[in-house]
Amino acid sequence: EVQLVESGGGLVKPGGFLRLSCAASGFSFDSHNMNWVRQAPGKGLEWVSFIVSDSSYRYYADSVRGRFTISRDSDKNSLYLEMNSLRVEDTAVYYCAREGKYYHDSRAYYVMDYWGPGTLVTVSS
Amino acid sequence: EIQLTQSPPLLSASVGDRVTITCRASQGIRAYLAWYQQKPGKAPNLLIYAASTLLSGVPSRFSGSGSGTQFALTISSLQPEDFATYYCQQLNTYPITFGQGTRLEIK
Repeated sequence: EVQLVESGGGLVKPGGFLRLSCAASGFSFDSHNMNWVRQAPGKGLEWVSFIVSDSSYRYYADSVRGRFTISRDSDKNSLYLEMNSLRVEDTAVYYCAREGKYYHDSRAYYVMDYWGPGTLVTVSS
Repeated sequence: EIQLTQSPPLLSASVGDRVTITCRASQGIRAYLAWYQQKPGKAPNLLIYAASTLLSGVPSRFSGSGSGTQFALTISSLQPEDFATYYCQQLNTYPITFGQGTRLEIK
């Protein structure tokens, strides 16, 4: 059974640092690209960052580029998000999501097929 | 950045009703669109990918359509467990973007 479990959330002051982790199990972690997606309280979903399976490239949302760093450790089957210079507007539930590859009409589609339950990050003084 | 506009933001309906949620992209995204269902306090669940393909195990009362810039999610006969918030997502171009969500509530 595919499982993703986030940890590391909590209360932090503006300008602070936090490192989120996502423990993966039940699938070949090395074979899948991974994402972080967040959701501010009462708001919609916002994609945050993506990392390819071999860590050879990563993407970031404009809102976090230069402050957040995504990484992964295949030995530990874990995904990470280091968050620096945190702002009040970074307050959200942070989800890790696996990217799955699916086919339709001979074309490949990559979608977020499994998600963790999320971890809450609160940035407040 | 590709903007996705969902409508309506709020939809009130009854069990057994047929409902449609639309999602319009600010530029063409071919069929690189997915639909998710989210219930309060839970992570989103993938329902549909490639605009119209149901994930295995998703009830057949759900269907998706569209290509390019106009997409729709239809639920043919609402069941009590379908009352939730629905999001469209484009995966054609980074940054990945989501629609703002449609909350489906019981009338």
